[in-house]
Amino acid sequence: GAGVSQSPSNKVTEKGKDVELRCDPISGHTALYWYRQSLGQGLEFLIYFQGNSAPDKSGLPSDRFSAERTGGSVSTLTIQRTQQEDSAVYLCASSLVPGSNSPLHFGNGTRLTVT
Amino acid sequence: GQQVMQIPQYQHVQEGEDFTTYCNSSTTLSNIQWYKQRPGGHPVFLIQLVKSGEVKKQKRLTFQFGEAKKNSSLHITATQTTDVGTYFCAGRGYGGSQGNLIFGKGTKLSVKP
Repeated sequence: GAGVSQSPSNKVTEKGKDVELRCDPISGHTALYWYRQSLGQGLEFLIYFQGNSAPDKSGLPSDRFSAERTGGSVSTLTIQRTQQEDSAVYLCASSLVPGSNSPLHFGNGTRLTVT
Repeated sequence: GQQVMQIPQYQHVQEGEDFTTYCNSSTTLSNIQWYKQRPGGHPVFLIQLVKSGEVKKQKRLTFQFGEAKKNSSLHITATQTTDVGTYFCAGRGYGGSQGNLIFGKGTKLSVKP
Protein backbone atom coordinates (compact mmCIF):
# COMPACT_ATOMS: atom_id res chain seq x y z
CA GLY A 1 0.00 0.00 0.00
CA ALA A 2 0.89 3.67 0.06
CA GLY A 3 3.53 4.95 2.41
CA VAL A 4 3.42 7.97 4.69
CA SER A 5 2.39 10.99 2.70
CA GLN A 6 3.37 14.54 3.62
CA SER A 7 2.29 17.81 2.06
CA PRO A 8 3.42 20.19 0.89
CA SER A 9 6.84 18.87 -0.05
CA ASN A 10 8.22 22.39 0.00
CA LYS A 11 6.96 25.52 1.69
CA VAL A 12 8.44 28.99 1.56
CA THR A 13 6.88 31.51 3.88
CA GLU A 14 7.59 34.95 5.19
CA LYS A 15 8.65 35.49 8.76
CA GLY A 16 5.61 36.01 10.97
CA LYS A 17 3.21 33.97 8.85
CA ASP A 18 1.49 30.80 10.04
CA VAL A 19 2.04 27.47 8.26
CA GLU A 20 0.29 24.11 8.35
CA LEU A 21 2.04 20.88 7.49
CA ARG A 22 0.07 17.74 6.80
CA CYS A 23 0.84 14.08 7.38
CA ASP A 24 -1.19 11.14 6.15
CA PRO A 25 0.10 7.98 7.88
CA ILE A 26 -0.04 4.44 6.61
CA SER A 27 -3.53 3.07 7.01
CA GLY A 28 -3.91 1.12 10.23
CA HIS A 29 -0.86 2.61 11.91
CA THR A 30 -1.83 3.79 15.37
CA ALA A 31 1.31 5.69 16.30
CA LEU A 32 2.37 8.93 14.62
CA TYR A 33 5.50 10.97 15.22
CA TRP A 34 6.69 14.39 14.10
CA TYR A 35 10.41 15.15 13.90
CA ARG A 36 12.39 18.17 12.76
CA GLN A 37 15.69 17.90 10.94
CA SER A 38 17.84 20.95 10.37
CA LEU A 39 20.40 20.86 7.56
CA GLY A 40 22.89 18.09 8.17
CA GLN A 41 21.61 17.48 11.69
CA GLY A 42 19.91 14.64 13.52
CA LEU A 43 16.25 14.05 14.21
CA GLU A 44 14.69 16.33 16.80
CA PHE A 45 11.56 14.82 18.33
CA LEU A 46 8.55 17.15 18.36
CA ILE A 47 5.37 15.27 19.23
CA TYR A 48 3.95 11.75 19.40
CA PHE A 49 0.36 10.53 19.01
CA GLN A 50 -0.83 7.10 20.02
CA GLY A 51 -4.45 6.20 19.35
CA ASN A 52 -6.83 8.16 21.55
CA SER A 53 -4.28 8.82 24.28
CA ALA A 54 -3.13 12.33 25.10
CA PRO A 55 -0.23 13.22 22.80
CA ASP A 56 3.31 13.50 24.09
CA LYS A 57 4.15 17.14 23.37
CA SER A 58 7.43 17.19 25.29
CA GLY A 59 9.49 17.96 22.19
CA LEU A 60 7.62 21.03 20.94
CA PRO A 61 10.17 23.89 21.05
CA SER A 62 7.72 26.69 21.85
CA ASP A 63 4.04 27.49 22.19
CA ARG A 64 4.08 28.61 18.55
CA PHE A 65 4.08 24.92 17.64
CA SER A 66 0.98 22.76 17.91
CA ALA A 67 -0.28 19.59 16.32
CA GLU A 68 -3.45 17.62 16.13
CA ARG A 69 -4.50 14.28 14.82
CA THR A 70 -8.06 13.92 13.64
CA GLY A 71 -9.87 10.60 13.76
CA GLY A 72 -6.70 8.79 14.63
CA SER A 73 -5.38 9.29 11.11
CA VAL A 74 -4.29 12.52 9.42
CA SER A 75 -2.15 14.88 11.47
CA THR A 76 -1.47 18.58 11.05
CA LEU A 77 1.52 20.40 12.50
CA THR A 78 0.93 24.14 12.82
CA ILE A 79 3.63 26.73 13.32
CA GLN A 80 2.39 30.20 14.20
CA ARG A 81 4.32 33.41 13.63
CA THR A 82 7.15 31.57 11.91
CA GLN A 83 10.75 32.54 12.61
CA GLN A 84 13.84 31.97 10.49
CA GLU A 85 15.11 29.38 12.96
CA ASP A 86 12.03 27.30 12.14
CA SER A 87 13.53 26.57 8.71
CA ALA A 88 14.10 22.82 8.53
CA VAL A 89 12.73 19.60 7.12
CA TYR A 90 9.72 18.38 9.09
CA LEU A 91 9.42 14.61 9.01
CA CYS A 92 6.38 12.59 9.92
CA ALA A 93 6.55 8.88 10.73
CA SER A 94 4.01 6.24 11.63
CA SER A 95 4.27 2.80 13.12
CA LEU A 96 1.87 -0.10 13.34
CA VAL A 97 1.91 -0.65 17.07
CA PRO A 98 3.67 1.66 19.52
CA GLY A 99 5.83 0.50 22.38
CA SER A 100 6.60 -2.72 20.59
CA ASN A 101 8.97 -3.82 17.89
CA SER A 102 7.35 -1.84 15.11
CA PRO A 103 9.71 0.17 12.92
CA LEU A 104 8.96 3.75 11.96
CA HIS A 105 7.95 4.51 8.39
CA PHE A 106 8.92 8.03 7.44
CA GLY A 107 7.38 10.32 4.88
CA ASN A 108 9.49 12.36 2.47
CA GLY A 109 9.17 15.40 4.70
CA THR A 110 8.20 19.03 4.21
CA ARG A 111 11.07 21.41 3.61
CA LEU A 112 10.12 24.67 5.29
CA THR A 113 11.99 27.85 4.45
CA VAL A 114 11.21 31.01 6.39
CA THR A 115 12.45 34.17 4.67
CA GLY B 1 16.22 11.54 30.85
CA GLN B 2 17.26 8.86 28.44
CA GLN B 3 20.00 9.86 26.00
CA VAL B 4 21.47 8.07 23.00
CA MET B 5 24.97 9.05 21.92
CA GLN B 6 26.31 8.07 18.53
CA ILE B 7 29.91 8.24 17.30
CA PRO B 8 31.61 9.21 15.15
CA GLN B 9 29.65 12.13 13.76
CA TYR B 10 31.39 11.83 10.39
CA GLN B 11 33.41 9.10 8.71
CA HIS B 12 35.22 9.35 5.39
CA VAL B 13 36.49 6.10 3.93
CA GLN B 14 38.01 4.83 0.73
CA GLU B 15 35.82 2.43 -1.17
CA GLY B 16 36.59 -1.07 0.03
CA GLU B 17 37.47 -0.03 3.57
CA ASP B 18 35.39 -1.06 6.54
CA PHE B 19 33.18 1.28 8.56
CA THR B 20 31.74 1.13 12.07
CA THR B 21 29.36 3.40 13.95
CA TYR B 22 28.67 3.07 17.67
CA CYS B 23 25.62 3.88 19.71
CA ASN B 24 25.52 4.21 23.51
CA SER B 25 22.50 4.71 25.73
CA SER B 26 22.46 6.18 29.21
CA THR B 27 19.81 3.63 30.21
CA THR B 28 18.98 0.01 29.43
CA LEU B 29 17.05 -0.39 26.22
CA SER B 30 14.23 -2.77 25.38
CA ASN B 31 15.36 -2.78 21.77
CA ILE B 32 17.33 -0.71 19.30
CA GLN B 33 16.61 0.13 15.68
CA TRP B 34 18.92 1.30 12.91
CA TYR B 35 17.96 3.58 10.04
CA LYS B 36 19.75 4.80 6.92
CA GLN B 37 19.12 8.19 5.34
CA ARG B 38 20.48 8.73 1.85
CA PRO B 39 21.40 12.30 0.88
CA GLY B 40 18.18 14.18 0.16
CA GLY B 41 16.05 11.29 1.37
CA HIS B 42 14.22 10.25 4.49
CA PRO B 43 15.30 7.69 7.11
CA VAL B 44 14.61 4.11 6.13
CA PHE B 45 14.43 1.28 8.62
CA LEU B 46 17.26 -1.25 8.39
CA ILE B 47 16.92 -3.60 11.32
CA GLN B 48 15.88 -4.06 14.93
CA LEU B 49 17.77 -5.82 17.72
CA VAL B 50 15.95 -7.06 20.79
CA LYS B 51 17.97 -9.68 22.63
CA SER B 52 21.03 -9.13 24.78
CA GLY B 53 24.18 -9.89 22.78
CA GLU B 54 22.20 -10.27 19.56
CA VAL B 55 24.07 -10.17 16.26
CA LYS B 56 22.32 -9.83 12.92
CA LYS B 57 23.73 -9.64 9.42
CA GLN B 58 22.43 -8.14 6.22
CA LYS B 59 24.91 -8.89 3.44
CA ARG B 60 27.90 -6.65 4.25
CA LEU B 61 26.22 -5.07 7.30
CA THR B 62 26.62 -6.53 10.79
CA PHE B 63 24.56 -5.23 13.69
CA GLN B 64 25.31 -5.97 17.33
CA PHE B 65 23.42 -5.32 20.56
CA GLY B 66 25.50 -5.26 23.73
CA GLU B 67 25.13 -7.73 26.57
CA ALA B 68 23.87 -5.00 28.87
CA LYS B 69 21.48 -3.71 26.18
CA LYS B 70 22.96 -0.22 26.49
CA ASN B 71 25.10 -0.12 23.37
CA SER B 72 25.00 -1.19 19.77
CA SER B 73 27.13 -1.05 16.67
CA LEU B 74 26.77 -1.21 12.91
CA HIS B 75 29.72 -2.50 10.91
CA ILE B 76 29.94 -2.36 7.14
CA THR B 77 32.53 -4.56 5.45
CA ALA B 78 34.17 -3.39 2.23
CA THR B 79 32.18 -0.20 1.78
CA GLN B 80 30.72 0.71 -1.58
CA THR B 81 29.59 4.08 -2.91
CA THR B 82 26.01 2.93 -2.45
CA ASP B 83 26.61 2.88 1.33
CA VAL B 84 26.84 6.69 1.39
CA GLY B 85 24.38 8.28 3.78
CA THR B 86 23.70 8.95 7.43
CA TYR B 87 23.15 6.02 9.77
CA PHE B 88 20.98 6.58 12.81
CA CYS B 89 20.42 4.37 15.79
CA ALA B 90 17.19 4.70 17.76
CA GLY B 91 16.82 3.24 21.21
CA ARG B 92 13.53 2.24 22.69
CA GLY B 93 13.38 2.50 26.47
CA TYR B 94 10.99 1.27 29.08
CA GLY B 95 8.20 3.74 29.78
CA GLY B 96 8.78 7.46 29.43
CA SER B 97 8.05 9.83 26.60
CA GLN B 98 8.70 10.27 22.89
CA GLY B 99 6.98 7.02 22.12
CA ASN B 100 9.91 5.48 23.97
CA LEU B 101 12.14 5.99 20.91
CA ILE B 102 15.25 8.17 21.15
CA PHE B 103 17.38 8.81 18.05
CA GLY B 104 21.12 9.29 18.07
CA LYS B 105 22.49 12.24 16.08
CA GLY B 106 23.68 9.93 13.33
CA THR B 107 26.97 9.10 11.63
CA LYS B 108 27.42 10.55 8.17
CA LEU B 109 29.37 8.19 5.93
CA SER B 110 31.10 9.32 2.77
CA VAL B 111 32.85 6.85 0.48
CA LYS B 112 35.55 7.90 -1.94
CA PRO B 113 35.60 5.77 -5.07
